[in-house]
Amino acid sequence: KNQVEQSPQSLIILEGKNCTLQCNYTVSPFSNLRWYKQDTGRGPVSLTIMTFSENTKSNGRYTATLDADTKQSSLHITASQLSDSASYICVVSASLSTNQFYFGTGTSLTVIP
Amino acid sequence: NAGVTQTPKFRVLKTGQSMTLLCAQDMNHEYMYWYRQDPGMGLRLIHYSVGEGTTAKGEVPDGYNVSRLKKQNFLLGLESAAPSQTSVYFCASSLGRGGLDTQYFGPGTRLTVL
Repeated sequence: KNQVEQSPQSLIILEGKNCTLQCNYTVSPFSNLRWYKQDTGRGPVSLTIMTFSENTKSNGRYTATLDADTKQSSLHITASQLSDSASYICVVSASLSTNQFYFGTGTSLTVIP
Repeated sequence: NAGVTQTPKFRVLKTGQSMTLLCAQDMNHEYMYWYRQDPGMGLRLIHYSVGEGTTAKGEVPDGYNVSRLKKQNFLLGLESAAPSQTSVYFCASSLGRGGLDTQYFGPGTRLTVL
């Protein structure tokens, strides 16, 4: 069964600290993996998209890694800010179809001063 | 550019009532999608469209209908609302180049069915 699992479910960190969010997937065949940020009451916003051949992709203070062999990805946030408080969603796209996306349930991150 | 907009932002319906959710995009995107987001679950695809005049079923299409008469608009209809359709509905669009398209999401519509 194609699934995307994220951990932890929620996380609280102090402003300025780093954190890492995890995503494990069983989607096959694999096309690409995406990380989205979803602020409360808003739609998801794309952070990164990685294909099978990419190990790392950065977007400012956000760095995503992908290990296609172990089917794991992580999102590392450096020097967290209060505005990083949001839900972070991992999405895996299956090959041969542009419309088959598998969404994780997200990690809720709270950054406190 | 306004991006992807959704109308209305909030709605409360009684069981059996009907309504239409409107999604509009001004980015000339070919693909448009309707998702629902429920607590503890990932977004689930209801219906999608790969171009004007086309629609297709997603993962959870029952109880919903869609239409894409104009490229910039994608409508989601509930003919006879049920409490199980209480959810937050998101519309998204993408260029339509293929599997690496970035999806742009609207702000969502929070629907409650009593």
